[in-house]
Amino acid sequence: EPEVTQTPSHQVTQMGQEVILRCVPISNHLYFYWYRQILGQKVEFLVSFYNNEISEKSEIFDDQFSVERPDGSNFTLKIRSTKLEDSAMYFCASSEALAGLKPQHFGDGTRLSIL
Amino acid sequence: DQQVKQNSPSLSVQEGRISILNCDYTNSMFDYFLWYKKYPAEGPTFLISISSIKDKNEDGRFTVFLNKSAKHLSLHIVPSQPGDSAVYFCAARPNNNAGNMLTFGGGTRLMVKP
Repeated sequence: EPEVTQTPSHQVTQMGQEVILRCVPISNHLYFYWYRQILGQKVEFLVSFYNNEISEKSEIFDDQFSVERPDGSNFTLKIRSTKLEDSAMYFCASSEALAGLKPQHFGDGTRLSIL
Repeated sequence: DQQVKQNSPSLSVQEGRISILNCDYTNSMFDYFLWYKKYPAEGPTFLISISSIKDKNEDGRFTVFLNKSAKHLSLHIVPSQPGDSAVYFCAARPNNNAGNMLTFGGGTRLMVKP
């Protein structure tokens, strides 16, 4: 069964450094998403992306965050200057074109640890 | 954000019996609801969904019920199996949401005892 893949599984970064989290969505999916889950808290929406532009973003997704689809297969989340509070599990997800009633499928996440 | 709540942090059930996981929501604009299962060190895995135009959807051992007037949905697993032990999240999406943003509940940890 096709799946969303994320790399790396664990990223350790010094505070203030830039970090890029990578995702390969399911190949025929056209909607892409990033979510995060801080330890002990809920899964929170960050951003959705369709047709090479952001469809929606949450308040968490401030100017320090950006997303990109650099080629036909990868979808990336960049955090420009990481803060301690950015430590979390980051999940990438994707869904089919007719996303109205199509579920989002999630990758296994990247654990981001900011020191 | 308390728009989606799962009031039971954990549930323990005997193998073969029914597991009932509950979820409440407050936003009347939600029109699509999903249940995800999550094992440790893995991402959420989609289980089953329901549109607000229905009150029940069934897929094998899993059935989701939606009570719009009560703003309540539930997931029934019959019969429960030890492999069902995981954290279950409900999620919801509003009908005015072009970005398909999902709002998640806090999760219920299900333990199915052999």
